[in-house]
Amino acid sequence: LAKTTQPISMDSYEGQEVNITCSHNNIATNDYITWYQQFPSQGPRFIIQGYKTKVTNEVASLFIPADRKSSTLSLPRVSLSDTAVYYCLVGRIFSGAGSYQLTFGKGTKLSVIP
Amino acid sequence: GAVVSQHPSRVICKSGTSVKIECRSLDFQATTMFWYRQFPKQSLMLMATSNEGSKATYEQGVEKDKFLINHASLTLSTLTVTSAHPEDSSFYICSATVSGQAEKLFFGSGTQLSVL
Repeated sequence: LAKTTQPISMDSYEGQEVNITCSHNNIATNDYITWYQQFPSQGPRFIIQGYKTKVTNEVASLFIPADRKSSTLSLPRVSLSDTAVYYCLVGRIFSGAGSYQLTFGKGTKLSVIP
Repeated sequence: GAVVSQHPSRVICKSGTSVKIECRSLDFQATTMFWYRQFPKQSLMLMATSNEGSKATYEQGVEKDKFLINHASLTLSTLTVTSAHPEDSSFYICSATVSGQAEKLFFGSGTQLSVL
């Protein structure tokens, strides 16, 4: 399983764009990159997933360079409600030979300041 | 998105008692569910993988006789913490995958267990 490295914490003012980068140097060919958001005392929530290049949905964008050794979650115009822990996961839940168990890293605690 | 319902959200029990936590997939069938544990200010740790109709697969270091997992139907998995002790106090979270969205995990809201 690819090990991930993220900043432990980040601060941002409301209305700014926030970019959280995750390093995953030993990502495997078949691995996906998935980001989850977790609020205190709640289960994580899926944000976005990608394999290569750029993915965008209604809440975020995910930028993946050609070598796939890192990825960047971009949150446009954050608000106070975006204060949470963000986890970058790399791997596969299921493989052809069985199952991988996605391993959560330490995550990035984002604090949005008024 | 798919909804995973987890109950109870909070439970307080005396040391030595057993506690059952339910995890239900409300609008989809979950062949596989995962159980995680999370201590304060720490990340999620996978405890076990639960497959419908078969025995759960436990991660190294997780006592299968203490954390009993039953996945008797495609919409329900239960985790029973047997003879709970204060060190079992933690936040327990279940998750499931959806057919066709195999690389996404949908999580329950979690259960805060406090053992006195």
